[in-house]
Amino acid sequence: GESVGLHLPTLSVQEGDNSIINCAYSNSASDYFIWYKQESGKGPQFIIDIRSNMDKRQGQRVTVLLNKTVKHLSLQIAATQPGDSAVYFCAENMWGNKLVFGAGTILRVKS
Amino acid sequence: GAVVSQHPSWVICKSGTSVKIECRSLDFQATTMFWYRQFPKQSLMLMATSNEGSKATYEQGVEKDKFLINHASLTLSTLTVTSAHPEDSSFYICSGIGVHSTDTQYFGPGTRLTVL
Repeated sequence: GESVGLHLPTLSVQEGDNSIINCAYSNSASDYFIWYKQESGKGPQFIIDIRSNMDKRQGQRVTVLLNKTVKHLSLQIAATQPGDSAVYFCAENMWGNKLVFGAGTILRVKS
Repeated sequence: GAVVSQHPSWVICKSGTSVKIECRSLDFQATTMFWYRQFPKQSLMLMATSNEGSKATYEQGVEKDKFLINHASLTLSTLTVTSAHPEDSSFYICSGIGVHSTDTQYFGPGTRLTVL
């Protein structure tokens, strides 16, 4: 449901450091997971995805790790840049291609 | 590729009026489109799923008579907020899945609705 006054967790990192954003998902039957980046006033932007038959997937400066045992997903961003500042959401693909989004994490990059 | 547009990007309307939001897939054909709502500092919540040429499927708690969805072609879906009230003020985002894709959703830029 929707909560009034909900505050998103914030991760502050120094420019150049690595960032790790975590997410717990709910459905053990979910087989497809996606990380999105959302800048203020814009729609979600696809970052990277992973299917349940994998534990790790790498992209350009980003890595997604999937731990199905504890239903945990993480996004690692290498050499974080100011342009990476945004809200990051994980999403699990439920039945019928419905996406259930996590609560989101604000990433702030300090120069 | 895989670009989705929304129009308008923002709209302000008076309470009791209806507002139509368009979602277009510009470079692919979307057999399925989704509509989400996002309140400030919150996550995206799925409102409904629409398949081209058929009725939309609404999530629990979403009033189908208030949020009218039409998916008349493979490149256009519309969301009409009828008799809008201030509590309908939100960020509405659509996404589409292409004909040749099984599950990758491409999102539009969103529409900010403010009801006075």
